[in-house]
Amino acid sequence: GAVVSQHPSRVICKSGTSVKIECRSLDFQATTMFWYRQFPKKSLMLMATSNEGSKATYEQGVEKDKFLINHASLTLSTLTVTSAHPEDSSFYICSASAGGRTYEQYFGPGTRLTVT
Amino acid sequence: AQTVTQSQPEMSVQEAETVTLSCTYDTSENNYYLFWYKQPPSRQMILVIRQEAYKQQNATENRFSVNFQKAAKSFSLKISDSQLGDTAMYFCAFKYNNDMRFGAGTRLTVKP
Repeated sequence: GAVVSQHPSRVICKSGTSVKIECRSLDFQATTMFWYRQFPKKSLMLMATSNEGSKATYEQGVEKDKFLINHASLTLSTLTVTSAHPEDSSFYICSASAGGRTYEQYFGPGTRLTVT
Repeated sequence: AQTVTQSQPEMSVQEAETVTLSCTYDTSENNYYLFWYKQPPSRQMILVIRQEAYKQQNATENRFSVNFQKAAKSFSLKISDSQLGDTAMYFCAFKYNNDMRFGAGTRLTVKP
């Protein structure tokens, strides 16, 4: 099946700093990418959806100025957590879709962010 | 808005036995997709099975099968001949257009 990678897998940053998470589709062109957040023992919550070359669409309650999403190419999307706070600590998962057959959605391995 | 409900936070089953995980959803749409994902301790989301709503036949993938009741908006997952490696969180998901929503998950433990 299609492969989606995320980097880094784990990151620790200090409060007030920014951290960038990369999501790459390795063997297909991802016209749409999705970013999810997962708290411990909880479900995946959709944060935003981005189409290549367009601005991301954020879910209600997600601060777009805090969680900057860029989908500049068909194989790369980035999530930047700006001015991170401890409450931003979470597991972030990206997912990618090649479009067309809309049910095809592939998940990355996730990134664990810890803000100290 | 679409919602997905998994009413069983935790379940356990003996190895080699059969277990059924429940899922219901709410939607006014007619053509959509339903999925079951497995999330082991590694936290990588793994697709177990998918069902297109326009198909009446229940999807099967080896030991995994679903009971899709469209009118009742029910989508249960049956795992036959449970194996220790099936221990994981299982999420039911609903997708319409580019919008995929997940249930709260069921933690399944397979006991030796």
